[in-house]
Amino acid sequence: TQLLEQSPQFLSIQEGENLTVYCNSSSVFSSLQWYRQEPGEGPVLLVTVVTGGEVKKLKRLTFQFGDARKDSSLHITAAQPGDTGLYLCAGSPKDYNQGGKLIFGQGTELSVKP
Amino acid sequence: DAGVTQSPTHLIKTRGQQVTLRCSPKSGHDTVSWYQQALGQGPQFIFQYYEEEERQRGNFPDRFSGHQFPNYSSELNVNALLLGDSALYLCASSYSEDYRNYGYTFGSGTRLTVV
Repeated sequence: TQLLEQSPQFLSIQEGENLTVYCNSSSVFSSLQWYRQEPGEGPVLLVTVVTGGEVKKLKRLTFQFGDARKDSSLHITAAQPGDTGLYLCAGSPKDYNQGGKLIFGQGTELSVKP
Repeated sequence: DAGVTQSPTHLIKTRGQQVTLRCSPKSGHDTVSWYQQALGQGPQFIFQYYEEEERQRGNFPDRFSGHQFPNYSSELNVNALLLGDSALYLCASSYSEDYRNYGYTFGSGTRLTVV
């Protein structure tokens, strides 16, 4: 069974601080996606990383895919209260026979206080 | 352009009852997946429909079944409801294999409470 371990589970920081969320697995993924979910809403895609070692930036957010495509990280610089939400990593299994299944991590609940 | 639409938004059912949840995918999308998200957890894959057939299934019992219609909309049916079925049920759509690079578009979900 493929699993994605996400850490930390909870994070409460002050506005302006930096933070990193980690997503780790013993399995290889063909791609990895990061989503943000707000209460009462569905997850919204932030980024997809496909190539091992790939780094993508989205304003103050930096996403990295591990060289072996087993892990990923999300780094937020100078966090703002608007960044508050549940951050989810989701991997697409390398085995093509697993089709469109996404395996999600447990999520990181981020709270940024003014 | 409408995104993924799910109905109803909230539902309360009694143990043993049956429930049907509905999903209309984003315009242009032909693949629909269903996920169950328990409180404080990440979504768990239930199954995916493509070309009106179940293409893949997660570790859910046969009480969970689905259907996709010719217009790509989909239904999720759950029979003999258990208290543990209480969760947010999410529908996600994509265009065929594009999900690998472009991800899924999720609906806002149906909050099911079983009492």
